[in-house]
Amino acid sequence: GDSVTQMEGPVTLSEEAFLTINCTYTATGYPSLFWYVQYPGEGLQLLLKATKADDKGSNKGFEATYRKETTSFHLEKGSVQVSDSAVYFCALSDSGGYQKVTFGTGTKLQVIP
Amino acid sequence: DVKVTQSSRYLVKRTGEKVFLECVQDMDHENMFWYRQDPGLGLRLIYFSYDVKMKEKGDIPEGYSVSREKKERFSLILESASTNQTSMYLCATNRGVGSPLHFGNGTRLTVT
Repeated sequence: GDSVTQMEGPVTLSEEAFLTINCTYTATGYPSLFWYVQYPGEGLQLLLKATKADDKGSNKGFEATYRKETTSFHLEKGSVQVSDSAVYFCALSDSGGYQKVTFGTGTKLQVIP
Repeated sequence: DVKVTQSSRYLVKRTGEKVFLECVQDMDHENMFWYRQDPGLGLRLIYFSYDVKMKEKGDIPEGYSVSREKKERFSLILESASTNQTSMYLCATNRGVGSPLHFGNGTRLTVT
């Protein structure tokens, strides 16, 4: 079945540091890929998405590129801020008729001033 | 903006009680989902529904049931709560395959 593997956390960075959170997936067909973010005390919200190979999703300075050859969707940001402290989830949506969305285990990011 | 409202932020129940978690969405989306979130395990799908009165089991349906009598409302039912059901429960909705999920703020359930 489908699966998503993302790097273990927590990740602690200083403000303005470069961020990479790795995400790889296994899936049949051609899934859509997502990054969601969860701020403390809240539900998840969509950060960015990509629906086909070589697509780049971007939002709020974050980027991720759908790499079919390496089955990866790594999240990057050039300069993190304290307000980026949250838990980040990589996810995929099956391209078939089944509505299932599969999530990774989440990576907690803490940014210190 | 889609709004997904979960009726309670925090619940404390006793072992053996019947528990209802309610979720309401305001965007006429076909699909609704219940997930539970546990540290180190991420989000796991309990049940989803793609239409009124329709439901499908997710990865961990044991000990749970669901009800969808109206399009905007999706209820998760714990028939006899147990301590291993202590968790954060998240409701979500989307408009179809490949479209993003919209989440409620979650219900933190503690079973003692």
